[in-house]
This record gives sequence, structure tokens and C-alpha cells, in this order.
Amino acid sequence: QVQLVQSGSELKKPGASVKVSCKASGYNFNNYDMNWVRQAPGQGLEWMGWIQTSSGNPGYAQGFTGRFVFSVDTSVSTTYLQITSLEPEDSAVYYCARGGIGWFWDSWGQGTRVAVSS
Amino acid sequence: DIVMTQSPDSLAVSLGERATMNCKSSQSVLSRSNNKNYLAWYRQKPGQSPELLIYWAVIRESGVPDRFSGSGSGTDFTLTISNLQAEDVAVYYCQQHLSTPPTFGRGTKVEI
Repeated sequence: QVQLVQSGSELKKPGASVKVSCKASGYNFNNYDMNWVRQAPGQGLEWMGWIQTSSGNPGYAQGFTGRFVFSVDTSVSTTYLQITSLEPEDSAVYYCARGGIGWFWDSWGQGTRVAVSS
Repeated sequence: DIVMTQSPDSLAVSLGERATMNCKSSQSVLSRSNNKNYLAWYRQKPGQSPELLIYWAVIRESGVPDRFSGSGSGTDFTLTISNLQAEDVAVYYCQQHLSTPPTFGRGTKVEI
């Protein structure tokens, strides 16, 4: 069955960087884009962008350019989200979610909590 | 961006009863090319990741119980949960998938 397994929780200081991984299994990794969605504490869901797993080409939503970088390693069926120059406002749960026939997502990772605090 | 507005913010329903929630988009999500409404619903149980329930407004995702049904067209949509179960305690989000950026509503919390 389709599984997306994300890396564990992170506690970082402001200004640091973090890299979250999302390992896929149970399907042909190259056939599906991967999306990233943020959920701030007690808040709703916000789409951050996506990466084409076959080409490595990323697309970023407004507000997620510059400090946010998506990447992919097809040899291990894993996509990554890196955030640099972390700010307290980056504290959230970050989800990877598999794209399919449209801009909706049928499989989600379990989420990675990133906390940014001095 | 298309703004999604959900109502009510929360509702309390007895086990076995029906829950109805609404979602309104700031512009139509009906595609004239294929006559499909690009509207999805997700359930997020406490402490869990979201799970897809419905897409194209009315299509149930594989494995989703038939007590979940979606309806509506254009800008106004409804998710109905009949015969509410304890496992349906969750926040429900609508999301338009017509255009980028795909956008979510703020959610409706369903309690028993």
C-alpha cells in the first residue's frame, strides 16, 4: 500500500536550518508529484508547493520562496523540504502529500513538527 | 487566489445522526471544459494527518464509507455525514483544486 514516512520532530533555534524528509513506498515514485502542506499550531492547512519527482523541478506558492527548498532523490524515493534562516513563525507541522490527477492529494505523510525557539 | 469559506465553525451531532457542513468559494470552481466541480473534502482526526474523502465535489475516494457524500456546484458545496460514528470526530476541510494555489477552508469541527 502507499506509504509516506516523514522524518521526526525537530527543535531548532532561530536562524538555523532544517531538512525534513519524506520517503515513499508502495507505488512508482516517479509517476507522482509530491506536495508540501504546512499547518501552523491550531490553524488550518496551507499549500506550500510541489516538486515533480521525475524531473526535480519545484514550484513554490507565494510566501514560500527564498528560504524554502524542495528536492528529490529518486534513488531512495525520497523528497525533502529544507527551510533556512528559521523564524519562530516557521513553527508548524509540515506534511508531504502525494499528487495525482489534480491538485488534490490522496496520500499524506504523518507530519513532521518543527519548533523554532531560542 | 480563490478564498474558501466554511460554515459552521463547529457542530455537535449525536452518534447515528446526520452532520451537514457547507463550503463556499469566492469564485466558481466548475470547469466548463469538463463540467466538473474541482472541490475536495478532507477529514483530519485529532493528532493525525488529513485524509482525502471526496474530490470533484461528489466522487468518494476509494475505501471511504458511503455515509460520506458531497454535493453542490459552482460556488456552494455541502458535505454530509449520515449515521455519524465516533471515529468521525474530526475537523473537515474543503479545498478547491481548480487552480493554483490550491486553497483550503478554515475547517468545520465535528464533535459528539
